[in-house]
Order: sequence, then structure tokens, then C-alpha cells
Amino acid sequence: NAGVTQTPKFQVLKTGQSMTLQCAQDMNHNSMYWYRQDPGMGLRLIYYSASEGTTDKGEVPNGYNVSRLNKREFSLRLESAAPSQTSVYFCASTPDWTGELFFGEGSRLTVL
Amino acid sequence: AQKVTQAQTEISVVEKEDVTLDCVYETRDTTYYLFWYKQPPSGELVFLIRRNSFDEQNEISGRYSWNFQKSTSSFNFTITASQVVDSAVYFCALRRHSGYSTLTFGKGTMLLVSP
Repeated sequence: NAGVTQTPKFQVLKTGQSMTLQCAQDMNHNSMYWYRQDPGMGLRLIYYSASEGTTDKGEVPNGYNVSRLNKREFSLRLESAAPSQTSVYFCASTPDWTGELFFGEGSRLTVL
Repeated sequence: AQKVTQAQTEISVVEKEDVTLDCVYETRDTTYYLFWYKQPPSGELVFLIRRNSFDEQNEISGRYSWNFQKSTSSFNFTITASQVVDSAVYFCALRRHSGYSTLTFGKGTMLLVSP
């Protein structure tokens, strides 16, 4: 049982480049999330998808877009990367809104 | 608006000491869920506990215990007889009980346990 899988695990970009972080879960969870983690800032929600077909902004959505491709997959896109987007990104899922989040292993992104 | 405060940025203890990590939260809701997560140096986030605000009983799991006090809006986490493997960043989080909501995390407390 893989749980939540994120790819890539590491990525280096130049300012202005675009990229997509992929996330897939095999637990048949309804809700999926993208967080970023920065030193001293904890985990901040970028976007979430309460259920297939819906997406909503979180605390720090600027500079990002998301797609809930199907129930399993939730991707995060950086259209024009900026150094301020250097961070560790975590995808998570939960079966319903009351449960704990199950996290992926994280994706470390560096924007030069 | 919800808020979770973990005032202790970093705590250092020597192995076998007991240590308490503080978590104070703010919410206008009367019912909610509280969580603790552990992030070891390897980076993954590990779920530790979920507590419903209905249930104010303290919980113990091995060397871990949690003290929930609704009157002071606190959900503190104690590790008894700490071990080097307990070294990690610990996050407290809050979620509304009714309606759809997302998790609000505190900024985390880094615990360093030295031999």
C-alpha cells in the first residue's frame, strides 16, 4: 500500500521556469491538499480539493494552480517559478473532513 | 479564524528526561478536533493523535501522553523518559468539527534529545 506518492522528490528550477508537482493517493480518499513548509513558518495550506471536481484556495495560493485530475490525483503547478517558492511541498489526503491527514514524503523545490 | 500557537521554538533535553510540548489554540467553534504530528529528521509527517473537543480525558500511549484542557485552550504533549529517537519537529493542529474545514497547523516545536 503506497499511500500518498509525490513526484519529483527534488527539483531545481531557474526563475521563470514552470513545473508541475504530481500527487497520487491509493486510499480512495475524498479530500486532497497541498502544503508548503518553510523554516519557522510551519505548514501552510496552498490549495485543497474537498472532493473530486472541486478545488479551493488555502492560505498562500498566489503563484500556484492546481488540478484535481480524478479522485486519486491532485497536481500543483508553478507557472513562473520565483525564489520565494523555494520550499518543501507536501501533498496530503484524508477520507473525510474529520480525519487525520495522510502525508506524502515531500518534494524539495529550489528556485534559483 | 482559527490559530494554533506553539510558543516553544526549540527544546533540548538529555535522554531520559521528561519533556512537555505546549500547544495553545484559538477558535470560535464549540466543537473541534485537535491533532499532533511528528516530523523526524527524515522529513515525513507522522500522525500521532486526534482528539475530539467533546472528550477531555487525557490520553496515554506508551511514553506519550496528552493533556487536553478546554478551559485554557491547551492541548499539551508530554514525552516521558525521552529517547534520542524522539528528536523531531512536533506540530499541533486544529480543525473544525462541523462543516468542511482544513487543518490549521502551529509553527512546530523542534525537540532535540541528546544521549
